[in-house]
Amino acid sequence: DAKTTQPPSMDCAEGRAANLPCNHSTISGNEYVYWYRQIHSQGPQYIIHGLKNNETNEMASLIITEDRKSSTLILPHATLRDTAVYYCIVPRYNNDMRFGAGTRLTVKP
Amino acid sequence: GAVVSQHPSWVICKSGTSVKIECRSLDFQATTMFWYRQFPKQSLMLMATSNEGSKATYEQGVEKDKFLINHASLTLSTLTVTSAHPEDSSFYICSAYPGLDNSPLHFGNGTRLTVT
Repeated sequence: DAKTTQPPSMDCAEGRAANLPCNHSTISGNEYVYWYRQIHSQGPQYIIHGLKNNETNEMASLIITEDRKSSTLILPHATLRDTAVYYCIVPRYNNDMRFGAGTRLTVKP
Repeated sequence: GAVVSQHPSWVICKSGTSVKIECRSLDFQATTMFWYRQFPKQSLMLMATSNEGSKATYEQGVEKDKFLINHASLTLSTLTVTSAHPEDSSFYICSAYPGLDNSPLHFGNGTRLTVT
């Protein structure tokens, strides 16, 4: 896998944007970046993925740097329900998802 | 769409017994299914990869005779924990891959196994 590095924890105020960084400096040209999150005692939830262009869906935006060595997941208006562990994954193949430690995001009122 | 159902959501069994966990893709066909295990305060660890109709590929350190995986159809995979021991108590999670290039995996909601 292209190794990813994420901060272990972050806090965010409710209603503000949460910006979660991920470093993937060894990413190859055809490897995608995927983001999942896991709320306590549930299975991971897919959020978004991208190759090199910025992506946006109803949950979040994904900003990938031009050199593709890092990306940022943006939750535009964080709510208490967004408190979770967020995982940035660059799989070896299309479907080989291996989870690192992720970032524990705590949204505070 | 893309719902993965895992059953049971929790199970308690006695040491030495076997437990079967089912993983179903409800609205798509899954060419590949994955099984993960997660211990408290740790991340998910991939246990094995199964393709429909073929033997599962196990990660290093995972005993294939203890964790039996069957992927008999494109919508169902099962994980059987044989001769369970208390150290097998964990959160087991399956995921399914629709087989489309770069499509994400879809995960079940996990099964919490407690072996007494």
